[in-house]
Amino acid sequence: AQSVTQLGSHVSVSEGALVLLRCNYSSSVPPYLFWYVQYPNQGLQLLLKYTTGATLVKGINGFEAEFKKSETSFHLTKPSAHMSDAAEYFCAVSLGTALIFGKGTTLSVSS
Amino acid sequence: DTEVTQTPKHLVMGMTNKKSLKCEQHMGHRAMYWYKQKAKKPPELMFVYSYEKLSINESVPSRFSPECPNSSLLNLHLHALQPEDSALYLCASSQETLGSGSTQYFGPGTRLTVL
Repeated sequence: AQSVTQLGSHVSVSEGALVLLRCNYSSSVPPYLFWYVQYPNQGLQLLLKYTTGATLVKGINGFEAEFKKSETSFHLTKPSAHMSDAAEYFCAVSLGTALIFGKGTTLSVSS
Repeated sequence: DTEVTQTPKHLVMGMTNKKSLKCEQHMGHRAMYWYKQKAKKPPELMFVYSYEKLSINESVPSRFSPECPNSSLLNLHLHALQPEDSALYLCASSQETLGSGSTQYFGPGTRLTVL
């Protein structure tokens, strides 16, 4: 069975600091992996997606994620946080008909 | 254009009311989804339509009734809901169902309150 674990339900950073949101997956076969962001009272917006090929995936708004098969991880990073990055972030895996979401990580950014 | 639209944005209804949520996409996607999201939780899959046919019903109570009139439209008919059904209802679509690695695009959601 597939699952996704997001370590840390809440991450707080200062503006300009590195953002690191952690995601580990379990899957018996190579998965498709996604990061979505959700701003308050809005739908989910795709940040980036890993299918196959290059393990470093670049997304929108300066975010990127690295697929590490040996660690079964797909952590999301951004070199310099901006106030507008404050939101809920979901990691998700797909190997069938539906997305399996992690529980989400709330990112807070302080000035 | 990767837009999925949903109407209404907000809906308040009583437990005896009948209402409908509407979702529309013009990306030529052949799979469409309904999700329910409670506060501070990830979305929970309710229904999947593939090529206008219901392919997955995640044991959703019959007071929720989905309908796919054509490849661009997805409705969710609501009847005799309970207060615990209050949530954000999200629609999504993808080129194909997700086993092929298709990306799922989400609409902005309908905030439903059941009194």
